[in-house]
Parts: sequence; structure tokens; C-alpha cells
Amino acid sequence: EVQLVESGGGLVQPGGSLRLSCAASGFTVSSNYMSWVRQAPGKGLEWVAVIYSGGTTYYADSVKGRFTISRDNSKNMLYLQMNSLSAEDTAIYYCARDLYLYSGVWFAYWGQGTLVTVSS
Amino acid sequence: NFMLTQPHSVSESPGKTVTISCTRSSGSIVSNFVQWFQQRPGSSPTIVIYEDNQRPSGVPDRFSGSIDSSSNSASLTISGLKTEDEADYYCQSYDNDNQVFGGGTKVTVL
Repeated sequence: EVQLVESGGGLVQPGGSLRLSCAASGFTVSSNYMSWVRQAPGKGLEWVAVIYSGGTTYYADSVKGRFTISRDNSKNMLYLQMNSLSAEDTAIYYCARDLYLYSGVWFAYWGQGTLVTVSS
Repeated sequence: NFMLTQPHSVSESPGKTVTISCTRSSGSIVSNFVQWFQQRPGSSPTIVIYEDNQRPSGVPDRFSGSIDSSSNSASLTISGLKTEDEADYYCQSYDNDNQVFGGGTKVTVL
């Protein structure tokens, strides 16, 4: 069974940094496309970043240059390093997995999310 | 980049049918698959339709998806509405390596 469990959220000051983690089980993160998707309070879904099975990464324009997606194959973990945070980054952050490799369906499985609040 | 536009809300009585539209602002709706997600209050999104009209296992056949090239839009239809269908629904598609979600539609079962 595919399971995704996010952690690492919390309160951070503007300009600060935070690293989110996503523990995967039931599959191998390096064999799939793994993404981060966020949802600001009361708002819709916004794709943030993806890491392909081959290691290539892509980012939404809103986070490019500030966020870094990575994975640890030995731990079967996905990460999101977030720097230069602002209030606009306040959101629940979900990790998501594709339906199957090269399916083109990037968000078939979702974790429960972790809340990031950027405030002084 | 393109946008996906959904109605803000729809409402209908139990047992009835609702259809949610999702209009692509630029580029052809048929060029890239459309997915639909359900998000109940306080829960994570779950996929209900993928690749325009495919249902994952476990999703009732009351949920169906379609594409209309003439209006450059996708639609999610929920028939035989149940109170458990009350949720936010999001369409999603992509262009190259950019993923786009619609703004979401709140479905209220009266």
C-alpha cells in the first residue's frame, strides 16, 4: 500500500528557512515522479515542484530559486528545502506520487500534509 | 502558461446530477490529459478521474469525466448525488513540465 507521511512544518519568521520531509512506504521514491503541492488557507491547490525518477527537477515560477526538491534513496524520503520564506508561502504542503512511472498523472497519491506558517 | 477556470460553486439535491466545467484559457484541452480531484473538508485531495475519463479503482461509476474540444473544456459529472459527495473539486492539467490546477468548485448537496 502506498503511504506518504509529511513532517517538518511549523512556524517560521519571514526570510527564514524550513525543510519538509515526506516518508514513503509501499514503493520506491526513486522509481516514480514525486511532487510537492501546496494549499494556502482557504485557497486552491498549487503545484510547487517535481523530481523525476532520473533526478531532473522542475519548479513553479513562484518558488524557483528559493525552494529545492530532493530525495534520499537510501531512506526512501522526499524533501523540500524552503528558503527566503514569505507570508505568501503559508500553506499546507502535500507530497504526492504519480500513478505509475511515465503515466503523466503526477498526483495520484497524496500524503496528509504539513502546515507551514510564515509569520513574525 | 495557461489557466483552468471552474465555477466557484454548484449545488443540487440528493439523487440529482451535477456537472462541473473546467475551461482551458490557451492551448488545446485535448493536448494534455485532465485529472479531477475531490477534497472533503479537512482532508487531503484524492483523485477521482485521470486521463480525461478514467476512474481509479474504488471510485464509484457515478463519477465520469469528459472533454469538449469545441468549448476547450473538460467536465466532471456526478450522478445520483449523495451527501458524501459534498466537497471541493479541482481539475488539473499540464503543459510541458508545468502543472496547473483549476481554482476549485464547491459542490453542495442540498
